[in-house]
Amino acid sequence: EIVLTQSPATLSLSPGERATLSCRASQSVNNYLAWYQQKPGQAPRLLIYDASNRATGIPARFSGGGSGTDFTLTISSLEPEDFAVYYCQQRSNWPLTFGGGTKVEIK
Amino acid sequence: EVQLVQSGAEVTRPGESLKISCKGSGYGFFGYWIAWVRQMPGQGLEYMGLIYPDDSQTRYSPSFQGQVTISADKSISTAYLQWSSLKASDTAMYYCARVGSPQFPPWFDYWGQGTLVTVSS
Repeated sequence: EIVLTQSPATLSLSPGERATLSCRASQSVNNYLAWYQQKPGQAPRLLIYDASNRATGIPARFSGGGSGTDFTLTISSLEPEDFAVYYCQQRSNWPLTFGGGTKVEIK
Repeated sequence: EVQLVQSGAEVTRPGESLKISCKGSGYGFFGYWIAWVRQMPGQGLEYMGLIYPDDSQTRYSPSFQGQVTISADKSISTAYLQWSSLKASDTAMYYCARVGSPQFPPWFDYWGQGTLVTVSS
């Protein structure tokens, strides 16, 4: 099973700042990595698929990068609605696995 | 508009059986795989398994194989997740999600609102 490690666990930033979230895989997942956002009391929402492709309706301030074992999700300028928990998910191997999440909180 | 609407919260006792549902609308339900994902209180996301409603093919995560049963009724665009004997450790939020990728293994593009299952004596 591929283990995804997300860092940091918590990121404290102010609106307008840039957020950089990391996801590291225990073995190569090629570019088969997705990112989801989850707000309190809500279901996850797909942001990025296959490392760098924004899902339908996702603002351009969200971007994904990386390949192999190291990936990043960047939010170029945080909006108030972006404070949430973010999860990565690999689809390279069965079983599908998710990272433990990074919480982006208001500083 | 694509929607996945899940059944309501459940409170039940250890040893009881339970079946929760996920009804799709706004797209050809039978043609897209549906997954179930568990989120235990304060924890992350865990993939449980998938079903293809058109022919009820299933694929389970090894961690959940034999612990739950995933089924579907394409005539009413509904997928199900069921337990035959619940444990307190099954207490969690359960999400259904539509497979969005054309290839497997998949990613998930639409999610249900979640069903909270509480198992307590």
